[in-house]
Amino acid sequence: GESVGLHLPTLSVQEGDNSIINCAYSNSASDYFIWYKQESGKGPQFIIDIRSNMDKRQGQRVTVLLNKTVKHLSLQIAATQPGDSAVYFCAEGLVQNFVFGPGTRLSVLP
Amino acid sequence: EAGVAQSPRYKIIEKRQSVAFWCNPISGHATLYWYQQILGQGPKLLIQFQNNGVVDDSQLPKDRFSAERLKGVDSTLKIQPAKLEDSAVYLCASSLGVIVIPNTGELFFGEGSRLTVL
Repeated sequence: GESVGLHLPTLSVQEGDNSIINCAYSNSASDYFIWYKQESGKGPQFIIDIRSNMDKRQGQRVTVLLNKTVKHLSLQIAATQPGDSAVYFCAEGLVQNFVFGPGTRLSVLP
Repeated sequence: EAGVAQSPRYKIIEKRQSVAFWCNPISGHATLYWYQQILGQGPKLLIQFQNNGVVDDSQLPKDRFSAERLKGVDSTLKIQPAKLEDSAVYLCASSLGVIVIPNTGELFFGEGSRLTVL
């Protein structure tokens, strides 16, 4: 399928290393945040979410950190694998809908 | 559980022609969204439905775009007439409820419909 995000910022990591993808969100009133993974030719896939009353949440191999003071969200992927190669979007939710960030392409090097 | 279904997956048309996309959300999901994703960008909300009512269509170019969800289940998005800048992937997403209610706001996306306008 056609690639998504040909001109996006790219993060390249060695297989097995940890990855950290950052996102600056825009609205201090946003109260729900989601990280999505989008592979080429597919729709975004849910990874992990966090509400504004938390500053950290862990899933399987992934951790999301929320810093409301500086409106910053990060996604940490432990022991990055080739299958993690994709474009990652953060989305901030306010009241009824979501606003998506521009995305970061993660490339996993063998 | 079946995911969000969209069709067609790909469509190529000439400018000033019309096109329609169809979406069937996950069964029981009250909220349905249409997003436009231009290459290299994040998805941008076009319209949000809650059951068969429009919640937000503030970013929908209403002179050429229209959408409906008549029975509160599946939805169609139409573009007429299409412009070159409408070339994008049109993503449909659904959620059980809304963001403010915990555990109901998560969006589930379909595979998208890629539109190329020549």
